[in-house]
Amino acid sequence: DAGITQSPRHKVTETGTPVTLRCHQTENHRYMYWYRQDPGHGLRLIHYSYGVKDTDKGEVSDGYSVSRSKTEDFLLTLESATSSQTSVYFCAINTGFNEQFFGPGTRLTVL
Amino acid sequence: GESVGLHLPTLSVQEGDNSIINCAYSNSASDYFIWYKQESGKGPQFIIDIRSNMDKRQGQRVTVLLNKTVKHLSLQIAATQPGDSAVYFCAETQTGANNLFFGTGTRLTVIP
Repeated sequence: DAGITQSPRHKVTETGTPVTLRCHQTENHRYMYWYRQDPGHGLRLIHYSYGVKDTDKGEVSDGYSVSRSKTEDFLLTLESATSSQTSVYFCAINTGFNEQFFGPGTRLTVL
Repeated sequence: GESVGLHLPTLSVQEGDNSIINCAYSNSASDYFIWYKQESGKGPQFIIDIRSNMDKRQGQRVTVLLNKTVKHLSLQIAATQPGDSAVYFCAETQTGANNLFFGTGTRLTVIP
């Protein structure tokens, strides 16, 4: 798993509540990513980071924000969760030329 | 671990047979391609990659073929084993880009 952990691994929450997912890496890689995985869509990029405090939007960034105050941690926040954000969320790091390694995932259910 | 119950194309093969998983990519400007394997309850795992200046690349029991004319990738797995049962994704990107675009995946089931 290239030293990537995600927390929590499972979460159930209610519509309108804030949710923060954490991705932690142990190898000081510069690039980190958040994806969501849904049936029929494969993996889609939400946000990515190319360094501390340097982030950019991906394909499906609406409704999500991210922060990276330390190299090892990349946080994904849903300010006000909606049912459409029920998904499996994967964090990834880039260890080389576009070679991404993924964490174990977080299953989020928004009721 | 986590995975999703995807409604995917499926491929069933007998143990010991060769498997071929196909992928059509969308962007003719893509010049780097990766195959990932996702086992139940786990994140995607890198298998093999290929750049657009190559037509074929071989790894251990796996071969990737690239046909840029028809924008098609294939992953060949030799002597398929039960441990190869998983969902396989292709991903495409361009040099210098920070995003990978993933296909929807194919579920491979190996019959003992």
